[in-house]
Amino acid sequence: AQRVTQPEKLLSVFKGAPVELKCNYSYSGSPELFWYVQYSRQRLQLLLRHISRESIKGFTADLNKGETSFHLKKPFAQEEDSAMYYCALNERNTGKLIFGQGTTLQVKP
Amino acid sequence: DSGVTQTPKHLITATGQRVTLRCSPRSGDLSVYWYQQSLDQGLQFLIQYYNGEERAKGNILERFSAQQFPDLHSELNLSSLELGDSALYFCASSVGRTPGGYTFGSGTRLTVV
Repeated sequence: AQRVTQPEKLLSVFKGAPVELKCNYSYSGSPELFWYVQYSRQRLQLLLRHISRESIKGFTADLNKGETSFHLKKPFAQEEDSAMYYCALNERNTGKLIFGQGTTLQVKP
Repeated sequence: DSGVTQTPKHLITATGQRVTLRCSPRSGDLSVYWYQQSLDQGLQFLIQYYNGEERAKGNILERFSAQQFPDLHSELNLSSLELGDSALYFCASSVGRTPGGYTFGSGTRLTVV
């Protein structure tokens, strides 16, 4: 079954520390993966998609098919990065995005 | 402003009542998706419409229904409301039949008392 797993509910780091938000997926086929960010229960905003290989707000994510992972990384966390982060998988045939449970990132001063 | 408009922003209603949530997709987007976000369940996919037709269905209760109109706006109808239906309801839109990355609205916060 298609599934996205974010093992950490909460990740707390100090400002300037590196950040890695973990995401593992289960999908038969070539996956299309995304990261979304949600600030203070506002709307979700697309942060990254693996196809474009962009770097947004200093965040990057690399698809590792061998480990079925799509971890989100940032070398130096900022306080404004504090938010909820969702990893999502495009279920191609049905048109829906499958979301992980989300990880709250808390960046302390 | 993401271009996806949801109304109302907040809704407080009593158990047993019926409410309608409205979503206008971003200009040019043909697909509309509805999600429910609750503290214990996370983001749950409810239903998708593409150009007026239902395309995919998720964990949507029988008490809930949706439709997409010719002008592409969508409505989510929730009836016989229960306390557990209290949640944030998000609408998202995309250009094609499959997401390729959604654009989300700001959500409707439903509180059932």
